Amino acid sequence: NAGVTQTPKFRILKIGQSMTLQCTQDMNHNYMYWYRQDPGMGLKLIYYSVGAGITDKGEVPNGYNVSRSTTEDFPLRLELAAPSQTSVYFCASSYGGALSDTQYFGPGTRLTVL
Amino acid sequence: QKEVEQNSGPLSVPEGAIASLNCTYSDRGSQSFFWYRQYSGKSPELIMFIYSNGDKEDGRFTAQLNKASQYVSLLIRDSQPSDSATYLCAVGFSGNTGKLIFGQGTTLQVKP
Repeated sequence: NAGVTQTPKFRILKIGQSMTLQCTQDMNHNYMYWYRQDPGMGLKLIYYSVGAGITDKGEVPNGYNVSRSTTEDFPLRLELAAPSQTSVYFCASSYGGALSDTQYFGPGTRLTVL
Repeated sequence: QKEVEQNSGPLSVPEGAIASLNCTYSDRGSQSFFWYRQYSGKSPELIMFIYSNGDKEDGRFTAQLNKASQYVSLLIRDSQPSDSATYLCAVGFSGNTGKLIFGQGTTLQVKP
C-alpha cells in the first residue's frame, strides 16, 4: 500500500492564480481531511469528508474548495491564490470517525504564493 | 472556541533522561487525545492515543490523561537523539466526524 499520496510536493503560485492539490489514498478509508500548517504552528483543518459525495468545512475553509467523487480521491482547490495561503498542506485519511480511529498523513505539499 | 495549548519550547533534555511534554485543552466535551511526532520537513505520525483517565504505556512512551484538570501529557523515557522532533497534541470529540484540534506543538531536543 502506498498509503496517502499527495501531488505536487512543491509549488510556487502568483497571486490570483488557481491550482488543485491532489490527494489519493489506497487504504479504503472512508474519511479524508485537508489541513494546513503554517511555520511553527499546529495543523488547522480546512475541509473534511466522511464519504464520497459528502464534504464539510473545518476551522479555516475560506479561499478553498473540495470535492469527493470517489472514496480514493479528495482534491483541494485554490481559486484565487493569496499570500496568506502560503503554507504546507497535508492530506490525511482514517477508516472512520470513531474516537480511536487513527488519521494517516500524506507527505505534504509546500505552497508559496508570491 | 475549542483550544489546545502546548508550550512551543524548545524543551532540551540530555540523552537518557525523561522528557515530559504537556498539553491543555479548553473543551470539557473532548473525548480522545492523540500525540503525533513530526520530524522537520516531514508529516505527522501517530505515537499513541488515550481516552480514559490515567496512564497508557507503549514502550518508552507513556500518555497521561486528567480530564478533571483538562490536561494530557506525554512522557518519553530514556530519551534518544532520534526523539528530537516536534510533538503535536491533538484532541477529538464525539459526533463521529473524526475532526481533530491540534496544538501548536512542542519542539524536543535530546542532546547526546
